[in-house]
This record gives sequence, C-alpha cells and structure tokens, in this order.
Amino acid sequence: AQSVTQLGSHVSVSEGALVLLRCNYSSSVPPYLFWYVQYPNQGLQLLLKYTSAATLVKGINGFEAEFKKSETSFHLTKPSAHMSDAAEYFCAVRVSNFGNEKLTFGTGTRLTIIP
Amino acid sequence: DGGITQSPKYLFRKEGQNVTLSCEQNLNHDAMYWYRQDPGQGLRLIYYSQIVNDFQKGDIAEGYSVSREKKESFPLTVTSAQKNPTAFYLCASGQGREDTEAFFGQGTRLTVV
Repeated sequence: AQSVTQLGSHVSVSEGALVLLRCNYSSSVPPYLFWYVQYPNQGLQLLLKYTSAATLVKGINGFEAEFKKSETSFHLTKPSAHMSDAAEYFCAVRVSNFGNEKLTFGTGTRLTIIP
Repeated sequence: DGGITQSPKYLFRKEGQNVTLSCEQNLNHDAMYWYRQDPGQGLRLIYYSQIVNDFQKGDIAEGYSVSREKKESFPLTVTSAQKNPTAFYLCASGQGREDTEAFFGQGTRLTVV
C-alpha cells in the first residue's frame, strides 16, 4: 500500500527566507505525487504534480518540488517566502491499482511566515 | 464556471440524527471522492466512486453511506452510527487516472450539538 510521510507538522520561516517542506513516500510501484495547499476553512488547491515526465516540477506561486527516487522524497521548496504563503500544505501519492486509483494524503504541514 | 459545489458550508446536527452532505460537479469527471479532515490527521478517505452506480469503501467508511445515481452528484450521508461525526468534510472529483489530480470543493463543516 502506498503512503506519504510529512516531516514537521509546523514550520516557521521568515519572510524572504527559503521554504522547505518535506515529504517522503512509500510505494512498491512508481508513484504519482502531488502537493496541495489549503487556506483556512477552504478546500485544497493543487500546487504541482509529478507524473514521471521530469524530476523537477514547477508549480504555481513560485513553488517547485524535486522527485528523488533514491531518497523516496518529493520535498516542496520556494526560494523566498511571502506572507501569503501561510497555509497548510499536503503531500499526496497515487499509484495505479487496476481501476482503484486512490489518492492518499499525508498529515499536513502548517507553514507560518514571520514578518 | 466549472467546479465542485458542496452544500451547506456549515451544518449542525443533533446526536442520533442522520444528515446528508451535498456534492455536485460540472467538470464531467468520472471519479468522485469524500474525505474527512480532522486537525493533525490530514485527509482520510471515506468513500469513492469511479463510475455511476458504483462506489467503494475508503479507509474510514463505518457510519457513512453514499450513492452515485448521477455522474454529477455524490451525496454523503452521515448516519447515527458514526460515533464522532464532528469534522470538516471535503468532496473531490477527478478523471480517475493515476496521473491526474483531484479537484476539491470548499468543504462542509459538520458539528454535532
């Protein structure tokens, strides 16, 4: 069964500093990986996704993530944090399962931006 | 505009009552999903449907029921058998392929009073 682990339930960074949110996956077959963002009392919005076309994936709002098979990781980064980045971020994995393509989420990382 | 509509946004239920959460999509997606979100636990899959008139249990289906009579609609009923129903419920839809993302509604916050 596939799963993802997000290290750090809370991360704080200063405005203008590097953002790094960690995600490790577990899957016996090549995975498809996703990062979502959630603002308070709202649904989830897709930031980016990895579908094996390229290991470095660029998303919206200046975020990017790199798929590293050797490390089973898909960490999310942004060079310079902005106040509007404060939100909760979820990593998710999906594997092909002959018609049952479930999307499994991590427990989330709440990002706080310090002015 | 295409999207997923969940209603109501806030819902209060008395203990022992069943309640139904609405989810409608006009994205022409085959697959639809219901997730439950609790603080610190991420999103947990309740039920999902890959096609009309068919659905499968997710990881926490006990105390919930669904139907998929139309492609556009996937209502979730929280029954009195659900012991701790207070949570934020998210509906999503997608094309059902492993390389495609799910699109989410704005959620329904259910509170048992």
